[in-house]
Amino acid sequence: DQQVKQNSPSLSVQEGRISILNCDYTNSMFDYFLWYKKYPAEGPTFLISISSIKDKNEDGRFTVFLNKSAKHLSLHIVPSQPGDSAVYFCAAGNYGQNFVFGPGTRLSVLP
Amino acid sequence: DGGITQSPKYLFRKEGQNVTLSCEQNLNHDAMYWYRQDPGQGLRLIYYSQIVNDFQKGDIAEGYSVSREKKESFPLTVTSAQKNPTAFYLCASSILPSTVLSGELFFGEGSRLTVL
Repeated sequence: DQQVKQNSPSLSVQEGRISILNCDYTNSMFDYFLWYKKYPAEGPTFLISISSIKDKNEDGRFTVFLNKSAKHLSLHIVPSQPGDSAVYFCAAGNYGQNFVFGPGTRLSVLP
Repeated sequence: DGGITQSPKYLFRKEGQNVTLSCEQNLNHDAMYWYRQDPGQGLRLIYYSQIVNDFQKGDIAEGYSVSREKKESFPLTVTSAQKNPTAFYLCASSILPSTVLSGELFFGEGSRLTVL
């Protein structure tokens, strides 16, 4: 049973618009969440994180929102750029445990 | 530049052969990890090591083996016992074990293994 789910395998967005990538988790013990971005044939690179004591974290065009009661987090990219086209993974963890990764969402930003 | 180096980037192997994937880091990180990526699935943890000369099985360790004789090196051997070895393999490291406190995992560029 997947503990971290990304129910949209793919998403297409027009350049300049907002991209919203969603992630759901089942383990209420998770208290730290990461988003990674991955280009083809490359390793994932860290994008942004959020801990359970916050409900929002912002870094430039990227904002992550956490709704603990719903066990849901989302990554917002505004404005979306063609270079943002990649696979995005969310990962969840808690102290003493290794991170669990979701299956990823492929984002395509259309010019 | 500090980072993680995986080699080879592409590897072909015949069924029944063992193959070893290299992972070297110069970040002075204590913890190192091996993940496997398959289409439509998240990164699944194969093995991890929190300190030299110690390692633990992850979620899908069967058919794999590792060693951690040096802090900077964590090679993964895919043995003939691994039933579906064709995959993209990723090595990662983090500053501290039990990575939540340090947050970030740093990944290598990956090795794609194809079994013919």
